[in-house]
Amino acid sequence: KAGVTQTPRYLIKTRGQQVTLSCSPISGHRSVSWYQQTPGQGLQFLFEYFSETQRNKGNFPGRFSGRQFSNSRSEMNVSTLELGDSALYLCASSFSGGDYGYTFGSGTRLTVV
Amino acid sequence: QQQVKQSPQSLIVQKGGISIINCAYENTAFDYFPWYQQFPGKGPALLIAIRPDVSEKKEGRFTISFNKSAKQFSLHIMDSQPGDSATYFCAARGAAGNKLTFGGGTRVLVKP
Repeated sequence: KAGVTQTPRYLIKTRGQQVTLSCSPISGHRSVSWYQQTPGQGLQFLFEYFSETQRNKGNFPGRFSGRQFSNSRSEMNVSTLELGDSALYLCASSFSGGDYGYTFGSGTRLTVV
Repeated sequence: QQQVKQSPQSLIVQKGGISIINCAYENTAFDYFPWYQQFPGKGPALLIAIRPDVSEKKEGRFTISFNKSAKQFSLHIMDSQPGDSATYFCAARGAAGNKLTFGGGTRVLVKP
């Protein structure tokens, strides 16, 4: 059974640019959540999508956005990149977000220079 | 606002020893408490989880103890092995949604 696939694994962008990260959840999983992981702030929730609708949103600026497609694949976009956006971005999928648990991908390491 | 506080930040234990990691939460609406293990270069992997109506849950060498009145829960790793060397995160899920709030993490090093 394939796990959660995130692409690309590594990305280097220049300040001011925008970036799009992709997440393919486990087959059958309809809930996709995104987290940012940094040494200083730890793991922080960005947003969750379920059946193409944003169901929850964390405390991040509007530069961070996402969407989910009908096949449950999800993308997140960060516009006008700042140096502080450098982080590991993790995607987690779940059947419904309930007690079935969340399976994380290996993440996309974004470096903003 | 850190709603889940985890301690210690790091831990060194001898092979065969017991690793104990503690977490405390503030929000009584949390309804699901998972523990995750993360190795370098990998995403967090679910180890074990508990709901607040259960005081203890054991899976192999991993045990969660949960104290609802104190709003605390802990992970015990019995017979710790060098392969257990990783960063461990506690988390809590809000009843109003599926957002996980994570603790700050504990880096565990098991010495052979």
